[in-house]
Amino acid sequence: DAMVIQNPRYQVTQFGKPVTLSCSQTLNHNVMYWYQQKSSQAPKLLFHYYDKDFNNEADTPDNFQSRRPNTSFCFLDIRSPGLGDAAMYLCATSRDPASYNEQFFGPGTRLTVL
Amino acid sequence: AQSVTQLDSQVPVFEEAPVELRCNYSSSVSVYLFWYVQYPNQGLQLLLKYLSGSTLVKGINGFEAEFNKSQTSFHLRKPSVHISDTAEYFCAVSEGLGSSNTGKLIFGQGTTLQVKP
Repeated sequence: DAMVIQNPRYQVTQFGKPVTLSCSQTLNHNVMYWYQQKSSQAPKLLFHYYDKDFNNEADTPDNFQSRRPNTSFCFLDIRSPGLGDAAMYLCATSRDPASYNEQFFGPGTRLTVL
Repeated sequence: AQSVTQLDSQVPVFEEAPVELRCNYSSSVSVYLFWYVQYPNQGLQLLLKYLSGSTLVKGINGFEAEFNKSQTSFHLRKPSVHISDTAEYFCAVSEGLGSSNTGKLIFGQGTTLQVKP
């Protein structure tokens, strides 16, 4: 089955220790998104890639970076995690932004910062 | 600017009772509308979507929603809920074709559906 995969499902890191979250997709979609979701809140878009074109949201902190080495993979790097960065991180894909924008979500990675 | 309002943060209901989760949106252009469900510690799963055509949309797990353009609403309904429907439900909107389509989804704050035995 075509899908969006996130690894790991649970990640524990220490305050200030860099961490990388991984997303892969078998849908061959052009667009990949990263969302941050804190407890009892809606997902908040951090950034997205349209092919290799990176689009950052205006209010995304510089502490968050992303890489997309190829169509299938996208990474979220948190350079110096703070306690406030503890959240669920969701990866999503869509065919392209000129379509009806249906997004397909992965299961998420829950990040704990100690 | 677009926005989505989910009018109820929590909806408790007994098993086999009907339920309606309310969603209103604001947008100056045509929109596409979605309902997603999120079970604990999982990602979002698409329940249903409105793109065009019939205003009554049927989705998975027995859910349906009605698009009402004059009231800018897209309420989600199920005639008889199960314990397994207990989850967080998110309404979302994106701009339609013909506008400056950014590919972004704007989410509501979510409604927790609590189904009691």
